[in-house]
Amino acid sequence: GAVVSQHPSWVICKSGTSVKIECRSLDFQATTMFWYRQFPKQSLMLMATSNEGSKATYEQGVEKDKFLINHASLTLSTLTVTSAHPEDSSFYICSANKPGNEQFFGPGTRLTVL
Amino acid sequence: GQQLNQSPQSMFIQEGEDVSMNCTSSSIFNTWLWYKQDPGEGPVLLIALYKAGELTSNGRLTAQFGITRKDSFLNISASIPSDVGIYFCAGHNTNAGKSTFGDGTTLTVKP
Repeated sequence: GAVVSQHPSWVICKSGTSVKIECRSLDFQATTMFWYRQFPKQSLMLMATSNEGSKATYEQGVEKDKFLINHASLTLSTLTVTSAHPEDSSFYICSANKPGNEQFFGPGTRLTVL
Repeated sequence: GQQLNQSPQSMFIQEGEDVSMNCTSSSIFNTWLWYKQDPGEGPVLLIALYKAGELTSNGRLTAQFGITRKDSFLNISASIPSDVGIYFCAGHNTNAGKSTFGDGTTLTVKP
């Protein structure tokens, strides 16, 4: 398999603050990474596709100015939730594509906005 | 866009029983993937299928890539308590870049 890490594992913040989540592919280079959010007992909802060296592609209904994505290197993508509100509380999961179409997921980040 | 229908939505079984779940699509995929997600963690890849008709095993897990390329199933034999979790199927086409996920099958195994 392949290893994808996320940091932090969980974060609690006050409403109105911004939170940055990092996603790293540890043993392979990923030109494409993906960001998902997942509500309790629900499936994965794709938020955006992060492309190394170019702008992210956002899914319909996802605000690009609220969820800022930066893919600065082949092993790192970041998701910043700006001006977070309680409704942004969720489980955020990143994944990275290895050549061969296999998609490997990070362990997720639990965000709680008070 | 492409959609996957995954069934069943949930299953409650006794330890030792076999389990079967499947995914169907209205469109073709050239790769099928099966994942398991434990509570509070990210999904972990269980099996990847690359060719129509392919049957692949990983321990007690067996998955098949349907001949029509529009479906796949996952079987778990002799279930044990640690099989509990949510199982997701995913279909992937290289030109699409991203995978399409099913809604998941929640498995509960009673000791």
